[in-house]
Amino acid sequence: AQKITQTQPGMFVQEKEAVTLDCTYDTSDPSYGLFWYKQPSSGEMIFLIYQGSYDQQNATEGRYSLNFQKARKSANLVISASQLGDSAMYFCAMRRTTGANSKLTFGKGITLSVRP
Amino acid sequence: GAVVSQHPSWVICKSGTSVKIECRSLDFQATTMFWYRQFPKQSLMLMATSNEGSKATYEQGVEKDKFLINHASLTLSTLTVTSAHPEDSSFYICSASQLAGGPLVYEQYFGPGTRLTVT
Repeated sequence: AQKITQTQPGMFVQEKEAVTLDCTYDTSDPSYGLFWYKQPSSGEMIFLIYQGSYDQQNATEGRYSLNFQKARKSANLVISASQLGDSAMYFCAMRRTTGANSKLTFGKGITLSVRP
Repeated sequence: GAVVSQHPSWVICKSGTSVKIECRSLDFQATTMFWYRQFPKQSLMLMATSNEGSKATYEQGVEKDKFLINHASLTLSTLTVTSAHPEDSSFYICSASQLAGGPLVYEQYFGPGTRLTVT
């Protein structure tokens, strides 16, 4: 079974500063992928970044980077130069990398508020 | 590419009635679709996995007779909430799986969600 843990209470960050959102995971699958999604108040799930379990380097996508520490089973999201539009709920998720029926397991999410 | 739509985007219905939500993959064929439910400020909870032409696989605790899922084609899956009650009010999101060929093999794309309110 897979498990994602996001334990931070709601986070606040000043505009233009960096923020780290924590995520730890547990799985018995040797090959898996880790994801971060952003969900604004409109409800749509916006894919941000992906990290494969065998990837040697940390994933980066623009202002988003994923601090992947496999031994510690953590996959923290770092958002640099926060913007007001970054205020949203953020979900960490994982699934096996093979199989059309591979289910995404989500953490409970964390609300990020960016202060002007 | 890889766009998933849902219809309606929001719906209000009376207690005891049924409501159907459609999930379409607009520019790709999806062999597998997933249905989630999300309550306010909570995470997405997987309800069922739907494969084209076969019966859906429901997660533990999800009533299959209440939440009817039909996946009649490679681009359309429907979720029907039967005899809806106020406790069924929630945000329902679908995702569709596409063979991508990259390290993930299958990519999943989310629809925009449907907000159901049962009065």
